[in-house]
Amino acid sequence: AQKITQTQPGMFVQEKEAVTLDCTYDTSDPSYGLFWYKQPSSGEMIFLIYQGSYDQQNATEGRYSLNFQKARKSANLVISASQLGDSAMYFCAMREVQTGANNLFFGTGTRLTVIP
Amino acid sequence: GAGVSQSPSNKVTEKGKDVELRCDPISGHTALYWYRQSLGQGLEFLIYFQGNSAPDKSGLPSDRFSAERTGGSVSTLTIQRTQQEDSAVYLCASSFETGNTGELFFGEGSRLTVL
Repeated sequence: AQKITQTQPGMFVQEKEAVTLDCTYDTSDPSYGLFWYKQPSSGEMIFLIYQGSYDQQNATEGRYSLNFQKARKSANLVISASQLGDSAMYFCAMREVQTGANNLFFGTGTRLTVIP
Repeated sequence: GAGVSQSPSNKVTEKGKDVELRCDPISGHTALYWYRQSLGQGLEFLIYFQGNSAPDKSGLPSDRFSAERTGGSVSTLTIQRTQQEDSAVYLCASSFETGNTGELFFGEGSRLTVL
């Protein structure tokens, strides 16, 4: 089974509008961390936001917020007030703690295009 | 520099040749990861180093792939007898801490093209 599923290969959003990028995950580990990374066309991976499985509140970082619904195993990224510079690939990722896995599992990504 | 440095940024090689890709992590980061990203795909975990512990090689796709990390710092990923399906961007990342909160800092990748 896929550890991380991103069902939206591509998304479009009007500049200054908000957009939600979907991410669901699959784990039996009670302790895990969820990450979102942005990959512009230049190729570098930029860390955006982190959510721990025991965190009570949704993570926020500036215009980024993570809509964490633990029972549904979803960790959607919300970008508010989209800017042209937000156009990029966005990857959701998870690290499990108790299984001892050292790797960060990545989804296949969502390409976001911001329309002026 | 302050970030993760990878070289070469681009490598074109012929099928059957060996290649070496280098990663210089952020100073002080004890954890180092290699990932592979094929065109239009997500990131595939290859190998993980943490301090002096034995590396986690569980993601290496075949015995043609190997990696080492010297002195707990610079790492080299070696692909022997390259195949066309090895063409991808190879990303290196480092982290100051492990556990579920350890954010990974990525290099800009080495793009490998096998003709």
